[in-house]
Amino acid sequence: DTGVSQNPRHKITKRGQNVTFRCDPISEHNRLYWYRQTLGQGPEFLTYFQNEAQLEKSRLLSDRFSAERPKGSFSTLEIQRTEQGDSAMYLCASRRGLGQKIAETQYFGPGTRLLVL
Amino acid sequence: GQQLNQSPQSMFIQEGEDVSMNCTSSSIFNTWLWYKQDPGEGPVLLIALYKAGELTSNGRLTAQFGITRKDSFLNISASIPSDVGIYFCAGQRNDYKLSFGAGTTVTVRA
Repeated sequence: DTGVSQNPRHKITKRGQNVTFRCDPISEHNRLYWYRQTLGQGPEFLTYFQNEAQLEKSRLLSDRFSAERPKGSFSTLEIQRTEQGDSAMYLCASRRGLGQKIAETQYFGPGTRLLVL
Repeated sequence: GQQLNQSPQSMFIQEGEDVSMNCTSSSIFNTWLWYKQDPGEGPVLLIALYKAGELTSNGRLTAQFGITRKDSFLNISASIPSDVGIYFCAGQRNDYKLSFGAGTTVTVRA
């Protein structure tokens, strides 16, 4: 399978614990995006990387959230001191760089569903 | 919060019917995308539109990029049970971030 993969698919944690999610993008894609989706809503942008550089962070990304993409391939999203309001689906998407129109579209992974008790 | 207004919020359709949903925005987008999401899965790209006025089909799906660049619609013809799911529109500007609508939930009556 050459699509975007995310691990774990589900995570249940207690409030105050730290969690880390991983995203493996499509191999030739140099842009990687993180989104958060709550029940009944569409995904909301959190942050994105071009290669290993984190280019933008949303105001939704509080200081408890940190994302990395150390070698420009996979990315991790860590949430420290989780709160119940962090419960959501965390989605990763990737796309190729500029050039062809078909490459401008983002392809999503299956997501990591987080439940904070 | 959501920047796009997507309607209807939900619909019940009879198998074989044609259905339509649309998305409007107060802002201009350079690209409109339509995704379908099944429960517990990530959104899957259905159609991408890159030019104002563009009409694109993908099987039984047809979508159009509005001339004002502030709206788009998606039509599904001859609906079948596997069309069940949540359909999202998304707009993209030059910064390549996607802004999503809240989704249209489609349920098909057999």
